[in-house]
Amino acid sequence: GAVVSQHPSWVICKSGTSVKIECRSLDFQATTMFWYRQFPKQSLMLMATSNEGSKATYEQGVEKDKFLINHASLTLSTLTVTSAHPEDSSFYICSASFRGTYEQYFGPGTRLTVT
Amino acid sequence: DAKTTQPNSMESNEEEPVHLPCNHSTISGTDYIHWYRQLPSQGPEYVIHGLTSNVNNRMASLAIAEDRKSSTLILHRATLRDAAVYYCIHVNDMRFGAGTRLTVKP
Repeated sequence: GAVVSQHPSWVICKSGTSVKIECRSLDFQATTMFWYRQFPKQSLMLMATSNEGSKATYEQGVEKDKFLINHASLTLSTLTVTSAHPEDSSFYICSASFRGTYEQYFGPGTRLTVT
Repeated sequence: DAKTTQPNSMESNEEEPVHLPCNHSTISGTDYIHWYRQLPSQGPEYVIHGLTSNVNNRMASLAIAEDRKSSTLILHRATLRDAAVYYCIHVNDMRFGAGTRLTVKP
């Protein structure tokens, strides 16, 4: 099946700094990528949907100026958490799909800890 | 909010079949139902999807009600590796509900 990678797999940063998480589709061109956040023992929460070359569509309640999403190519999307705070500590997961299919392929996730 | 509802948890014995239900009463006529599962500290894994007809693959079977307002994921012989949280979602609405935590007892 299609493979999606995320980098880094985990990151620790200090409060007030910014962190960038990469999501790559390794063997297919991802026309749409999704970003999710997951707190312990909770379900995935959709943050935003991005189509290649377009601005991301953010879910209600997700601050677009804080969570910057860039989908500049068909194989790469990035999520930048700006001015991170401890409450941003979470498991961030991306997924990708390609035109003509309905399956989503998920990355392994990135665990962010803000100290 | 997610448009699907599932039981919070279910238990099964190893080697026995498991039927995981999902209600999706607001689904549109052209919206596929997808099932994913998630192991701890991992991203979700695709399991199966369908529209109207029942579907089978190497992982599971999917039985879709005639009115399409519900579906059931069937694991024919549960193994310990099947212990996970199972999610059903509409493909046109990628919001996840709480899912069903499946526990498999040896």
